[in-house]
This record gives sequence, C-alpha cells and structure tokens, in this order.
Amino acid sequence: EAQVTQNPRYLITVTGKKLTVTCSQNMNHEYMSWYRQDPGLGLRQIYYSMNVEVTDKGDVPEGYKVSRKEKRNFPLILESPSPNQTSLYFCASSPSGDHGYTFGSGTRLTVV
Amino acid sequence: AQSVTQPDIHITVSEGASLELRCNYSYGATPYLFWYVQSPGQGLQLLLKYFSGDTLVQGIKGFEAEFKRSQSSFNLRKPSVHWSDAAEYFCAVGEGNMLTFGGGTRLMVKP
Repeated sequence: EAQVTQNPRYLITVTGKKLTVTCSQNMNHEYMSWYRQDPGLGLRQIYYSMNVEVTDKGDVPEGYKVSRKEKRNFPLILESPSPNQTSLYFCASSPSGDHGYTFGSGTRLTVV
Repeated sequence: AQSVTQPDIHITVSEGASLELRCNYSYGATPYLFWYVQSPGQGLQLLLKYFSGDTLVQGIKGFEAEFKRSQSSFNLRKPSVHWSDAAEYFCAVGEGNMLTFGGGTRLMVKP
C-alpha cells in the first residue's frame, strides 16, 4: 500500500531533550515536507526537500532540523525542544509540486 | 507571498443539504489550488486539485470546486452532504514545493 509512515504517533517529552520524528514513504516520491498544525493557524510548512541532500526552509523552520540522506526517509529533528513546539506534526510526500501531497497520519508532540 | 483565506471557521448543514466552502487566495500568477479533508485523528486526504484548463474540477467523494480568477476564489461544493462528510476542510495554494494552507473550515452535519 502506498503510504507515508510517521513514528511515533504520540510523544511526550521534556524541555531540552533531543528527539527525532521519523518519516518514510514507499512511493519513490522526489518531494517531501514537514508541517505543523496548530488550532486556528491551519498547517504551516517547516522544511521541505526536493530530492536527496536538497532541503530548504519553509515558513516556520526555527528550532527544527531535517536531513534527506535517502529518498524514502525525511526525519524531523528537534535538538532542544521547547513548549511552544507542542503541536501536531505531519510529514508529506509528492512526486512533484503540482501533484498534491500524500500525508502521513501525524505525530502529536507534547513538550513539558 | 502567497496566502489563503477560509472565511468560515465553522459551518453546520443538515444531512442532504447542499454545501459550499469558501476559499480566497492571494497569488501573483495562476496558482496550483488544492482542497484537502481531515477527519478526526487522521492525516489529510486530497479531495481535488486545479492547475489549468476547465475551471470546474471534479474530485473524490462527490465534491467539486470552481476556480474563479476574477474573484481569486476556489470554492468547494457538494450537492448533498452525508453525515460522513463531517470533518475539517483545508484549501491550499501550491508553488513548486511550497504549499500554503488556509486556516481550515470545520464542517458539522446535522441529522
């Protein structure tokens, strides 16, 4: 089944403790992207990648890192999480920008 | 910079009634336009997309949307709503790898 898989689905962590949210797609898509969703703000793009080793900042990149060492994987790294990064995170992939994205099921992160 | 506005935060309709969800965008050229639906606890599912050509676009689940350049709008419609359509709906504008979402409209369906 074609899908985008994120792990974990739920995560509670403490301020300053580094964490990684994994994202993997099995559709051989070139484009991958991370979003955060907050009530009333819709989804905002954090980082995106157009291919292996090619990444760029979205609208809200502060406090996040990404890497794209393989085409299928695009992990999101929070080096020092803070409470304002408590949010619902989505990974998505697309064969190209005009095809629309396939989204993962989301990761709900709580930073205390 | 591109932006997307969904003026209605909440909409309630009766089952069987027609539906229109509004979306206005700001973008310099003809954009790529999308509608997504998010059911509770789920990710986003693509309903339909517009790139060029026919301004009336058909999507999945009986939805359609009409692109109106003069009004910078891309409203989503459905002639008869089902209880299973209750969800949050997001309009989005795309440029390359950048996708900008509106704030969403939560649809509630009355029996």
